[in-house]
Amino acid sequence: EDKVVQSPLSLVVHEGDTVTLNCSYEVTNFRSLLWYKQEKKAPTFLFMLTSSGIEKKSGRLSSILDKKELFSILNITATQTGDSAVYLCAVNTGNQFYFGTGTSLTVIP
Amino acid sequence: GAVVSQHPSRVICKSGTSVKIECRSLDFQATTMFWYRQFPKQSLMLMATSNEGSKATYEQGVEKDKFLINHASLTLSTLTVTSAHPEDSSFYICSASKGALNTEAFFGQGTRLTVV
Repeated sequence: EDKVVQSPLSLVVHEGDTVTLNCSYEVTNFRSLLWYKQEKKAPTFLFMLTSSGIEKKSGRLSSILDKKELFSILNITATQTGDSAVYLCAVNTGNQFYFGTGTSLTVIP
Repeated sequence: GAVVSQHPSRVICKSGTSVKIECRSLDFQATTMFWYRQFPKQSLMLMATSNEGSKATYEQGVEKDKFLINHASLTLSTLTVTSAHPEDSSFYICSASKGALNTEAFFGQGTRLTVV
C-alpha cells in the first residue's frame, strides 16, 4: 500500500529558530515529491523534487530529496510567525497524489 | 501560473438537500482532477480521482452514490453531495493536474460545507 508519513506531527518553536520537517514515503511508482504550505484554506505550492541530492531553495525555505532512503526534508531557517501553518508533503505516482498527515508548525514570538 | 477556481467557498444547507461544488481550471486543461475532504487538524483525504470523459475512481469507503463526481470537460469537474447529513460537514478541496508525469497539483480555494 502506497503511503506518505510526515514527522513530527506538530512543532512549536520560537521566532528565529531553524526547523526541519521530515517526509518519508513508500510508493510503487514514484514520479515526484511535493511540499505544500496550508494556512487557513487550500494548500499553496512550495517545492517539487524529482532528483536526489539537488537542493531546492526559496528564501528561508529549502528542501532536498533522497530517493535511495525514500525521504525528503523541508528546512525553514530564521522562522517567523508567518511561517505558522501545516506543511504537507505529497508524492505523485503519475495518476495520484498521496498526502502525508502534515506537520503543524507554530512559531511563537 | 495555473489557477484553479473552486466555488462556492462556503455553503450552508439543510439536511436532506444536495449541494454542488464546482472546480474549474482557468488557464490550463486539467486531464485529471482530484477531490479531497479535510477534517479539522487532519490531512487531505483523497475521495476520488476523475479523468475527463470517464467515470471517477473512488477511494475505498467513499460512497459513489452519495458523492457524485462529473468531469464533463477538460476545465470543469463537479462534486455533488447528495442527501447531505450533518456528518458530511467538512472542508472539500479540489485539485487539478495537467496530466504530465512530473507536475504539481494545483488546488482550488476549498469549500466549507455545513449541513444543519
